Amino acid sequence: ETGVTQSPTHLIKTRGQQVTLRCSSQSGHNTVSWYQQALGQGPQFIFQYYREEENGRGNFPPRFSGLQFPNYSSELNVNALELDDSALYLCASSATGTLNSGANVLTFGAGSRLTVL
Amino acid sequence: KNEVEQSPQNLTAQEGEFITINCSYSVGISALHWLQQHPGGGIVSLFMLSSGKKKHGRLIATINIQEKHSSLHITASHPRDSAVYICAVRSYYGGSQGNLIFGKGTKLSVKP
Repeated sequence: ETGVTQSPTHLIKTRGQQVTLRCSSQSGHNTVSWYQQALGQGPQFIFQYYREEENGRGNFPPRFSGLQFPNYSSELNVNALELDDSALYLCASSATGTLNSGANVLTFGAGSRLTVL
Repeated sequence: KNEVEQSPQNLTAQEGEFITINCSYSVGISALHWLQQHPGGGIVSLFMLSSGKKKHGRLIATINIQEKHSSLHITASHPRDSAVYICAVRSYYGGSQGNLIFGKGTKLSVKP
């Protein structure tokens, strides 16, 4: 059974650029959620995807968008990067899809560390 | 006030000590997670619980729904337990679940 893999592990961008982060979910998991973790803070929920549709979103602007593919892998896209977007971006997969379910045991990836200059 | 508060923020212990990390929350929840994050970022899910108590090896997690409080205990602590421990709750609004809300974490350092 493979875990959750994220790529790239580190990247540096400049303000105004766009970035795409990728996440491969654990085998058997159909739901992917993304989190932003600033230095010294707890993660903040960005959004969640189930069956290729967004089914939950945190307090992030529309320039944060995502996709989920038929194989349940996912992308996080951030447009018009700002300095405050510098953070560790974490992806987690789980086996149950909808938010109306209690068995959401999560498996996290190691994260993608984004630095915006 | 944050919806999920952890205490202490930082904790230093000697190897072998019994450790308790606390988590209080102010929202209705359907489940509470305890997570472990090592330097470099990787997060491991330790427990998910909605009532009572769970035990795995030297780790014990308890939750009191009425008091909106959970504790994570580590018995016979070891330097390899050094990490940031994060409490996260899955909110519950009007019959459906919301997203995960995270505490800021407790940084534990266990000295040999």
